[in-house]
Amino acid sequence: GEDVEQSLFLSVREGDSSVINCTYTDSSSTYLYWYKQEPGAGLQLLTYIFSNMDMKQDQRLTVLLNKKDKHLSLRIADTQTGDSAIYFCADRVNAGNNRKLIWGLGTSLAVNP
Amino acid sequence: NAGVTQTPKFQVLKTGQSMTLQCAQDMNHNSMYWYRQDPGMGLRLIYYSASEGTTDKGEVPNGYNVSRLNKREFSLRLESAAPSQTSVYFCASRSGGVGETQYFGPGTRLLVL
Repeated sequence: GEDVEQSLFLSVREGDSSVINCTYTDSSSTYLYWYKQEPGAGLQLLTYIFSNMDMKQDQRLTVLLNKKDKHLSLRIADTQTGDSAIYFCADRVNAGNNRKLIWGLGTSLAVNP
Repeated sequence: NAGVTQTPKFQVLKTGQSMTLQCAQDMNHNSMYWYRQDPGMGLRLIYYSASEGTTDKGEVPNGYNVSRLNKREFSLRLESAAPSQTSVYFCASRSGGVGETQYFGPGTRLLVL
C-alpha cells in the first residue's frame, strides 16, 4: 500500500546542517513535497521536487531524491532557531481518476542555541 | 490576497452539539480539502472537493458532512459532536499546473467535552 515514513525527532545545534529523511512506497509518485508547521500554525509549503529530478536547491534548502530507493531528504544549511518546527514529507500519487497526497507523520526539529 | 481562511479559530462544544467549520480561498483553486490533525496520527483526509459541485470521502469521513457552496467556500459540518472529534482541523486548496501545491489555512482547534 501507499505509505510515507519519517523519523519523529531531530535535534541539532544552531549553525549546523539538518538532514530530515523520508521514505515512500508508491511507484506512481509524481511530486514529493516538504511542508513546515510552526507551533499553532497551519502547514506551509517549503519546496517540492518532481519525481524525475535528483536534486533541487532553494537558498538554504537542498532536496535530494533517490527514486530507486524511494528516499527523499531535506537538508537545511546553517540551521537557525527559527527553523524549529515540524517538517512533513508528502507524496502525490495517482488514485484512479484522482490524485491524492500521502503524508508522513512529521519530523520535529529542535534547534538548540 | 488572503489565501485560505478558516473560522472559527477555536471552539469548545459539548457532546451532541453541532457546528460548521467554514473555509474560504481566494486563489481561484478548483480543489479543496478538509484534514484533521491528531498527535501521532499526522494529517488525515476527511473529505475533498475536486471541483465546485462535487465532494468525495477521504480517509476518515464518518461523523462529518461537507458542502462546496461555491468555488471559494468549502464547509465542514459536525452534526452531533463526539469527544473523538477533538482535533485540529485544516482546510486546504490546491493549485493546478506545475507542482499542484496544497495551500493550508491556519486551522480550527476544536475541543468536544
